[in-house]
Amino acid sequence: NAGVTQTPKFRILKIGQSMTLQCTQDMNHNYMYWYRQDPGMGLKLIYYSVGAGITDKGEVPNGYNVSRSTTEDFPLRLELAAPSQTSVYFCASRPGTANTGELFFGEGSRLTVL
Amino acid sequence: QQQVKQSPQSLIVQKGGISIINCAYENTAFDYFPWYQQFPGKGPALLIAIRPDVSEKKEGRFTISFNKSAKQFSLHIMDSQPGDSATYFCAASRGSARQLTFGSGTQLTVLP
Repeated sequence: NAGVTQTPKFRILKIGQSMTLQCTQDMNHNYMYWYRQDPGMGLKLIYYSVGAGITDKGEVPNGYNVSRSTTEDFPLRLELAAPSQTSVYFCASRPGTANTGELFFGEGSRLTVL
Repeated sequence: QQQVKQSPQSLIVQKGGISIINCAYENTAFDYFPWYQQFPGKGPALLIAIRPDVSEKKEGRFTISFNKSAKQFSLHIMDSQPGDSATYFCAASRGSARQLTFGSGTQLTVLP
């Protein structure tokens, strides 16, 4: 019963460094999402994917990139990290056949850029 | 417009009391309105959801009231318990990809 697994849970980056946040799900869900959560701001959609090989931008995509080579994995790449990317990042998934919008979230990755 | 506005930002309620959180939306294309509950250090989890063709949905102590004409919906937590202390997010979605647009969150504290 792993669900959505995110790694790492915590990371500190220096300005200008790059890194990849990993997300994997074992529920065979077609749809996957990356959100960022800032205090008092709710969750903002960064990128999403409707299936392997298909990705699209969300509300706040600048400074990030994604890929979806398999159904299970949806990594988020940060290039040239900036202090504005300090946030908690959540990956989520949902089955493509469901008529509801229920998302299953991972436990988050807390990123600090100094 | 994609915004979902949520209030209050924080709420303190005595044990046994009623907690009420309100949300308003602008985009009439939204067709699914969930509420998520988030405990510290965890990801959000679906609590209860409603579609705009009904005015109320109840699950245990949790009720969503929906006013389509006013474009507002609210979460009522009856007999609030200390274990309900968490951050609550309203959200709205539309379209096949079901991208959720979240409110800014309400931090609920239920005092024992």
